[in-house]
Amino acid sequence: NAGVTQTPKFRVLKTGQSMTLLCAQDMNHEYMYWYRQDPGMGLRLIHYSVGEGTTAKGEVPDGYNVSRLKKQNFLLGLESAAPSQTSVYFCASSLRPGQGFSNWGYTFGSGTRLTVV
Amino acid sequence: AQSVTQLGSHVSVSEGALVLLRCNYSSSVPPYLFWYVQYPNQGLQLLLKYTSAATLVKGINGFEAEFKKSETSFHLTKPSAHMSDAAEYFCAVTRGGGSEKLVFGKGTKLTVNP
Repeated sequence: NAGVTQTPKFRVLKTGQSMTLLCAQDMNHEYMYWYRQDPGMGLRLIHYSVGEGTTAKGEVPDGYNVSRLKKQNFLLGLESAAPSQTSVYFCASSLRPGQGFSNWGYTFGSGTRLTVV
Repeated sequence: AQSVTQLGSHVSVSEGALVLLRCNYSSSVPPYLFWYVQYPNQGLQLLLKYTSAATLVKGINGFEAEFKKSETSFHLTKPSAHMSDAAEYFCAVTRGGGSEKLVFGKGTKLTVNP
């Protein structure tokens, strides 16, 4: 059981380049999330999805786009990378709260370390 | 809106000493509260959570936390620190009863000295 898998694990981009980060989960979770982690800032929500075909903005959505074409996948795109987007990106997934909150919680991927030069 | 404040970005203890990591929350509705641990170069792993059942919650690796509504706190403790506890710890909150988003604190990095 793989859980949440993020690819790639590391990437270096030049300013202005584009890329897509892939998150895949095999737990049949409805909800998926993208966070960024920066030193001293904790985790901040970029975008999230409450089901296939739906996405919503989080706390820091600017400069990012997302898509959830399949339930198991959640893609995060950077159209024109900037040095301010240098960060560690985490994907997470969860059940819907209505599916039993006693079992509810995030399952995290291992992260993608992105450097924009 | 929900928020959490973790007091102390760095905490250092000796091996065998008490670990106390502080978390205070702000919520206009009854909260659900979580503690996550992140080991170096890894993702986040759930330690424990409070979901309005028992106020004293026991988690993995000997950690526990107590929900105190009067103090709006959910501090994480462990009676005796082990070297393997060195990691970063995050407190998180969501709206009780069900919400799709967790709001995280800024984290506390725990160092355990031999």
